[in-house]
Amino acid sequence: DAGVTQSPTHLIKTRGQQVTLRCSPKSGHDTVSWYQQALGQGPQFIFQYYEEEERQRGNFPDRFSGHQFPNYSSELNVNALLLGDSALYLCASSWGLAAYNEQFFGPGTRLTVL
Amino acid sequence: LAKTTQPISMDSYEGQEVNITCSHNNIATNDYITWYQQFPSQGPRFIIQGYKTKVTNEVASLFIPADRKSSTLSLPRVSLSDTAVYYCLVAQTTGTASKLTFGTGTRLQVTL
Repeated sequence: DAGVTQSPTHLIKTRGQQVTLRCSPKSGHDTVSWYQQALGQGPQFIFQYYEEEERQRGNFPDRFSGHQFPNYSSELNVNALLLGDSALYLCASSWGLAAYNEQFFGPGTRLTVL
Repeated sequence: LAKTTQPISMDSYEGQEVNITCSHNNIATNDYITWYQQFPSQGPRFIIQGYKTKVTNEVASLFIPADRKSSTLSLPRVSLSDTAVYYCLVAQTTGTASKLTFGTGTRLQVTL
């Protein structure tokens, strides 16, 4: 079992550009959540996808959008990049939406905005 | 929104038991208390989860008093490899979604 995989590992962009990050959930999982982790901070919830729908959203602007595909994989898109978007972006997968279901995290994508 | 408060950092010697206490005063009835461990440049890793009383697994124990406003993660006989950031968080199911709310975590440093 490969666990949660994310691509790319690292990414460098300039201000104003757009970026797409990808996540494949752990086998058997159908729910994907995205988190942003700034240096020295805890992960911050961006949004969660289940049944190809955004189910809940954290306090992030509309520049952050996502998608879930029929195979449960997911993408995170960020438009009009700002310097403050530089962070580690984490994808987590779980089975179903219940809070007591363990979320498995991927290794993350390190985004640097210059 | 249940917010957690935990010490910023802790130091321990190898072989000692480490207890990290977390407060979550406004935890809701349906919320679960969950602890994650994170090493640098890696995603968080689930350690243990509980709703009330005591939960034990192969790596840790979690103590939750009756009022559920706090919890204590206990790591028996820590080793150097336990040096990491430990997050106490509340796992919430809200309507048709669930979310994890992370705080700033406790940075545990284990030395010889």
